[in-house]
Amino acid sequence: DTEVTQTPKHLVMGMTNKKSLKCEQHMGHRAMYWYKQKAKKPPELMFVYSYEKLSINESVPSRFSPECPNSSLLNLHLHALQPEDSALYLCASSHIGTGHQPQHFGDGTRLSIL
Amino acid sequence: AQSVTQLDSQVPVFEEAPVELRCNYSSSVSVYLFWYVQYPNQGLQLLLKYLSGSTLVESINGFEAEFNKSQTSFHLRKPSVHISDTAEYFCAVSFTSGTYKYIFGTGTRLKVLA
Repeated sequence: DTEVTQTPKHLVMGMTNKKSLKCEQHMGHRAMYWYKQKAKKPPELMFVYSYEKLSINESVPSRFSPECPNSSLLNLHLHALQPEDSALYLCASSHIGTGHQPQHFGDGTRLSIL
Repeated sequence: AQSVTQLDSQVPVFEEAPVELRCNYSSSVSVYLFWYVQYPNQGLQLLLKYLSGSTLVESINGFEAEFNKSQTSFHLRKPSVHISDTAEYFCAVSFTSGTYKYIFGTGTRLKVLA
C-alpha cells in the first residue's frame, strides 16, 4: 500500500467535461507535486506546492488548475482537455528541504480523454 | 545543463542471473541520486538513494548501487534477479540547491525471463 492516495484510479472524460483528481497524504509532508506520465516515458513535472503555495508551474496549459486546500490534500481540476492529455497523472509528496528529501508517489489516476 | 542518461531502454535477463542497469548524470553542481521502480499500473517506489557518505548503498530487496563521482555514474545492480523484479526502473537526480525538482532518466525496462 502506498502512503499517497489518489482518486479516482481511472477516469474517462469528454473534452467538454470538468473533473477533478484528488491526492491525499498524512506523512506530514509540506511539499506536494503533480506529474504527468505518458506510456514508456518518465514522469514530467507539472506543479509543485510548498507550504500550500504554488512554487513551480512548469508552463502547464491553463486547462489544468491545481489547488492545495490544506497540507494533506492536493487537487488537480481539469477542464476542456485534449486527447493528448490522456496519461497517467501521479501525485507525490516530500518533506521540505533541499533536494535530499525523496519524493513518495501515489499509484496515479489513469486519464482517458474521448 | 543537468541531465540523466539511462542508455539501456530494455534489459532482458534470465532468472537468477545478475543484472546491471546503468545511469550516468551530468551536472555542474552537487547532486543527490535516486533509483525508483515502477511496476505495471502502479506509481514509482523509491528503491534506494545516495545522499552522502558511503558510495555503496543497498536496498532491502537485494539491489545495490554505487556512486562514482569521477565517472558521474550511479549504476544499479542485483546479483540474482527474480521474475518479480520485472518492472521499469528510473534513475533520478536532485540538487543541493533545493529546487524540489527531479531530473529523471528515460527509464530501463527490466524483463526477467524464466
